[in-house]
Amino acid sequence: DAGITQSPRHKVTETGTPVTLRCHQTENHRYMYWYRQDPGHGLRLIHYSYGVKDTDKGEVSDGYSVSRSKTEDFLLTLESATSSQTSVYFCAIGATRDPGEQYFGPGTRLTVT
Amino acid sequence: QQPVQSPQAVILREGEDAVINCSSSKALYSVHWYRQKHGEAPVFLMILLKGGEQKGHEKISASFNEKKQQSSLYLTASQLSYSGTYFCGTANYGQNFVFGPGTRLSVLP
Repeated sequence: DAGITQSPRHKVTETGTPVTLRCHQTENHRYMYWYRQDPGHGLRLIHYSYGVKDTDKGEVSDGYSVSRSKTEDFLLTLESATSSQTSVYFCAIGATRDPGEQYFGPGTRLTVT
Repeated sequence: QQPVQSPQAVILREGEDAVINCSSSKALYSVHWYRQKHGEAPVFLMILLKGGEQKGHEKISASFNEKKQQSSLYLTASQLSYSGTYFCGTANYGQNFVFGPGTRLSVLP
């Protein structure tokens, strides 16, 4: 299994509070992705990174920001959480571009009350 | 530009075969297949590239029809362990990689 972890695994927060989710990899893969998964929508790309400090928006990026200051860490921040951001968040990593095989972390279940 | 998957759900008995389809309205240069078991993360199965390159996994194979912009996943002699939700992901020229909504497969003893 690819060495990829996510923290926290579960979080409950209130509307309007900032939240940061962390994805950590030990594979030294260049590409990292953040997805959210909701019933009926499958997996939707939020942001992705193709290197340190190189990030780009995905399909559903509004309300989210990301940062990648080290190869191994990719942070997802909800500046002011809303109930519509209640979801399961998956981080994924990939070694090749455009995109190649992706390996997913265990996921973070976020509930915004 | 989310790809369309069919069927939405399928139930079969152990040992039976199944086909899951994935289609896109735009030209594709690669199709990916993933399987996700309940409460777990998606797991990569295979990738199909324009030009015919294909990778396989156990008794699961797939085809990629570039002209029809569609891919099919074939599960042969299904095992109980095949149960889960199957997602296709498509890469279109100049656009982000996108997952389909998933097909829920249930294999019964």
